[in-house]
Amino acid sequence: GNSVTQMEGPVTLSEEAFLTINCTYTATGYPSLFWYVQYPGEGLQLLLKATKADDKGSNKGFEATYRKETTSFHLEKGSVQVSDSAVYFCALRGGSEKLVFGKGTKLTVNP
Amino acid sequence: GAVVSQHPSRVICKSGTSVKIECRSLDFQATTMFWYRQFPKQSLMLMATSNEGSKATYEQGVEKDKFLINHASLTLSTLTVTSAHPEDSSFYICSARARDGVDDSPLHFGNGTRLTVT
Repeated sequence: GNSVTQMEGPVTLSEEAFLTINCTYTATGYPSLFWYVQYPGEGLQLLLKATKADDKGSNKGFEATYRKETTSFHLEKGSVQVSDSAVYFCALRGGSEKLVFGKGTKLTVNP
Repeated sequence: GAVVSQHPSRVICKSGTSVKIECRSLDFQATTMFWYRQFPKQSLMLMATSNEGSKATYEQGVEKDKFLINHASLTLSTLTVTSAHPEDSSFYICSARARDGVDDSPLHFGNGTRLTVT
């Protein structure tokens, strides 16, 4: 079945550091890929998405490129801020409406 | 933007009692809502898909008689944990998709409910 594997955290960075959170997937067909973010005390919010190979999703300075050849969708940001501290979930959706999530990666950014 | 309200945010109950969790779409109609369970340091696991006006579809391994789901209107779905036990303690999250959403429309999530069974 479909599955998502993302790097385990926690990840701790200093402000303005470069961020990469790795995500790889296993799926049949051509899934859509997502990154969700969960800020402390809040629900999940869609951060960005990509629906086909080579698509790049971007939002709030975050980017991720749908790489079919490596079955990856790594999340990157060039310069993180304290306000980016949150838990980040990689997810995919195959032929149905069901989302399959990774385990989440907690990011803490220190000033 | 679309808002999903989940209530209560926290609940503590005694073993053997039942607990109801509500999930409401505040500014859109949701034909389909999803219920997830999140264990500490684990991913969100889909429990069931709730369809307005019909029976919920449960994932393999989820007891439908224990986790009762009702989706009586386009803006409300409820999850009732019946005869709760300490092992049911977890974080429950609902999500919803707008009624007229296209296939790639995003899911909107509630803030979750922390259930503790003593």
